Amino acid sequence: AQTVTQSQPEMSVQEAETVTLSCTYDTSESNYYLFWYKQPPSRQMILVIRQEAYKQQNATENRFSVNFQKAAKSFSLKISDSQLGDTAMYFCAFMNPDGTASKLTFGTGTRLQVTL
Amino acid sequence: DSGVTQTPKHLITATGQRVTLRCSPRSGDLSVYWYQQSLDQGLQFLIHYYNGEERAKGNILERFSAQQFPDLHSELNLSSLELGDSALYFCASSVNGNTIYFGEGSWLTVV
Repeated sequence: AQTVTQSQPEMSVQEAETVTLSCTYDTSESNYYLFWYKQPPSRQMILVIRQEAYKQQNATENRFSVNFQKAAKSFSLKISDSQLGDTAMYFCAFMNPDGTASKLTFGTGTRLQVTL
Repeated sequence: DSGVTQTPKHLITATGQRVTLRCSPRSGDLSVYWYQQSLDQGLQFLIHYYNGEERAKGNILERFSAQQFPDLHSELNLSSLELGDSALYFCASSVNGNTIYFGEGSWLTVV
């Protein structure tokens, strides 16, 4: 079974600064997807970024980028120019695509506080 | 807005009662997933349906059941409710199984 580990329960960053959230995972599969989801105080789950394991290029979405190290099974999220609206719980998630039976496995989350 | 619609948004009910949570997936999505998020257990996968058929089961209690209808909407039925069932229940959908979008969730409080 796949496991996802987020070792930083809480982090804090000042507005406009850069922060990196860590995630490691364990799998024996070679083909999979990794995600970061954001859960703000409203509790909605918002997809931030997606990485396909077979792609060597790191995914980027505006101020959000990942550092995907497949051999090390590491998938960190970098938030640049942090904004107050980035304050949220961030979940790393793994998916082993199994056609129509795929599902997400989540880490325990990192609570990020952006301060003035 | 993810395009996944869940109703009701909030629900308060008594122990022993039965409730139904409803989910409409994004247009064109054949897969529907249900997740439970409680304070102390994070996000737990409950069940996955694809085009009306059950495809995977996670940590879903026997008191809980789900189905996906021909129009692809899904319902999660929770019966004999206990205080510990209080949680945020998410529905999510996917068209091709490699990206999953979540609804806003249904808050269930059992008193």
